[in-house]
Amino acid sequence: GAVVSQHPSRVICKSGTSVKIECRSLDFQATTMFWYRQFPKQSLMLMATSNEGSKATYEQGVEKDKFLINHASLTLSTLTVTSAHPEDSSFYICSARDTIGFTGELFFGEGSRLTVL
Amino acid sequence: QQQVKQSPQSLIVQKGGISIINCAYENTAFDYFPWYQQFPGKGPALLIAIRPDVSEKKEGRFTISFNKSAKQFSLHIMDSQPGDSATYFCAATQLQGAQKLVFGQGTRLTINP
Repeated sequence: GAVVSQHPSRVICKSGTSVKIECRSLDFQATTMFWYRQFPKQSLMLMATSNEGSKATYEQGVEKDKFLINHASLTLSTLTVTSAHPEDSSFYICSARDTIGFTGELFFGEGSRLTVL
Repeated sequence: QQQVKQSPQSLIVQKGGISIINCAYENTAFDYFPWYQQFPGKGPALLIAIRPDVSEKKEGRFTISFNKSAKQFSLHIMDSQPGDSATYFCAATQLQGAQKLVFGQGTRLTINP
């Protein structure tokens, strides 16, 4: 099946620094990617929809200036957590849908665990 | 709000038994209902999905039952194995438009050997 790769899988940073997480679709093109956040033992919460070549659409309550999303190509979306604080520590997961061979299936990355000290 | 309610929160089943997880949705515009399996520290992986034009879909040991009038769907895992121990999420979306997935709260399944 299609593969979505996330990098890094784990990152630890100091409070106040910025962290960038990459999401790549390895064998398909994705005009739309989704970014989720998951706290321990909780469900996935959609943060934003990333659209290639245009601004991301953020869910209610998600600060767009804090969580910067860039979708510069059909295979890459990035999430930058700016001025990270301990409460931003979470598991961030991206997903993508095959633009051409659309069947409804969303392919998920392996997730990136962010720990802010 | 577009919600998907999932139960139970946790489930323990003996090896070889049937695991059943239930979900209910509110938005009648939803037309795609996937189930995801997630192991600790990993992203969710699609297990099986159903469209509302059928009442049941089976893939190996996994079956989705769908009741459109009741707005409910369930996952049945037959002959449950210890390797099935994971967290399962149901979800729903509209295939037209934004296509955003709405997830249930998750069920932590433990299969005892």
